[in-house]
Amino acid sequence: LAKTTQPISMDSYEGQEVNITCSHNNIATNDYITWYQQFPSQGPRFIIQGYKTKVTNEVASLFIPADRKSSTLSLPRVSLSDTAVYYCLVGTRGSNYQLIWGAGTKLIIKP
Amino acid sequence: EAGVTQFPSHSVIEKGQTVTLRCDPISGHDNLYWYRRVMGKEIKFLLHFVKESKQDESGMPNNRFLAERTGGTYSTLKVQPAELEDSGVYFCASSAGRQYSYEQYFGPGTRLTVT
Repeated sequence: LAKTTQPISMDSYEGQEVNITCSHNNIATNDYITWYQQFPSQGPRFIIQGYKTKVTNEVASLFIPADRKSSTLSLPRVSLSDTAVYYCLVGTRGSNYQLIWGAGTKLIIKP
Repeated sequence: EAGVTQFPSHSVIEKGQTVTLRCDPISGHDNLYWYRRVMGKEIKFLLHFVKESKQDESGMPNNRFLAERTGGTYSTLKVQPAELEDSGVYFCASSAGRQYSYEQYFGPGTRLTVT
């Protein structure tokens, strides 16, 4: 199973673009990259998923280089409410789609 | 549309007692997952149901844990007898099971404290 590595914590300011990079050197051909967000005392919330190149939705963008050994979650113009823990996960192979969690990145947005 | 709900939100029990956690997934979601976060550790997968069948229970820590999903709707996770190390937050998640999708909808969790 591919292991992910991401920064333990990051700080930024309101209105800035925040990029969180995750490395997954052992990603397998069939693996997908998924990002979740978690606020205190809540369950994780799906943000975005991708396989290669760039994926964008109304919340974030996900950039994946050709070798797929890393990925970058980009949050445009963050606000205080974006303060949360962000998890990078590499989907397991097979059909059960269980999620394998790392420690995540604690993002703190300052005014 | 209602999200994933879990009951109770908190439970405090003594070592040796029994506790049953309940999860109601989003209506129509065939896939139901249980995860757990023990204090200071990462979230860990416990098991996965497809409808009423256990697809994967490789994450269940031991035979004190029993999960059921009768009728393929809600699920229960029973811990009997509870031990101190069972304390943590238990999350339930459901998904529609679309191919190649890792989008799961999580409930708010049940915080279990074993004293």
